[in-house]
Amino acid sequence: KQEVTQIPAALSVPEGENLVLNCSFTDSAIYNLQWFRQDPGKGLTSLLLIQSSQREQTSGRLNASLDKSSGRSTLYIAASQPGDSATYLCAALSGGYNKLIFGAGTRLAVHP
Amino acid sequence: ETGVTQTPRHLVMGMTNKKSLKCEQHLGHNAMYWYKQSAKKPLELMFVYNFKEQTENNSVPSRFSPECPNSSHLFLHLHTLQPEDSALYLCASSQDYSGWSHNEQFFGPGTRLTVL
Repeated sequence: KQEVTQIPAALSVPEGENLVLNCSFTDSAIYNLQWFRQDPGKGLTSLLLIQSSQREQTSGRLNASLDKSSGRSTLYIAASQPGDSATYLCAALSGGYNKLIFGAGTRLAVHP
Repeated sequence: ETGVTQTPRHLVMGMTNKKSLKCEQHLGHNAMYWYKQSAKKPLELMFVYNFKEQTENNSVPSRFSPECPNSSHLFLHLHTLQPEDSALYLCASSQDYSGWSHNEQFFGPGTRLTVL
């Protein structure tokens, strides 16, 4: 049974710092790994999707990596801004169907 | 804007009420999902419909009743709910319900449900 863990649960940093959010999964037989952003009380916004055959994906200041053999993914945020404050969720697609298994999220606060 | 809309955005109901949540997707997808997000818990998959057929029911209590009249619309009918059912209910859609690397789920904004 796939389990997804995110560390840390919460993070508070000053503006301008480079950040690394961690995601680990127990079953390496995944189709893809997705990173989402969720603002308080809102839905999920897809940030990056890394296919199982890929090692990383980049979008603007965001870079996500995937290491299936070790069961890990990281989301790197460069030059953080207060507008990056949100909860970041990772989810692994596995199990033969389009079943996303989510981590509990990392709550990020970037202060000016 | 993800192409998935949900109404209402907020709902307050008593334990004896009957209400319905609505989800609509404008992406031409064939699979639709209901998720529940409770405070400090990971998102939990509730139901999956693929080509209008229910393919997943993750041991959800019968007081939650889904309906999928066509591939673009999904409803969640609620009756005799409990206060612990208060949560954010999220709808999502994808091309279909099969495991392949490009298959991405798109989420709606959610309905914040409070049961008194």
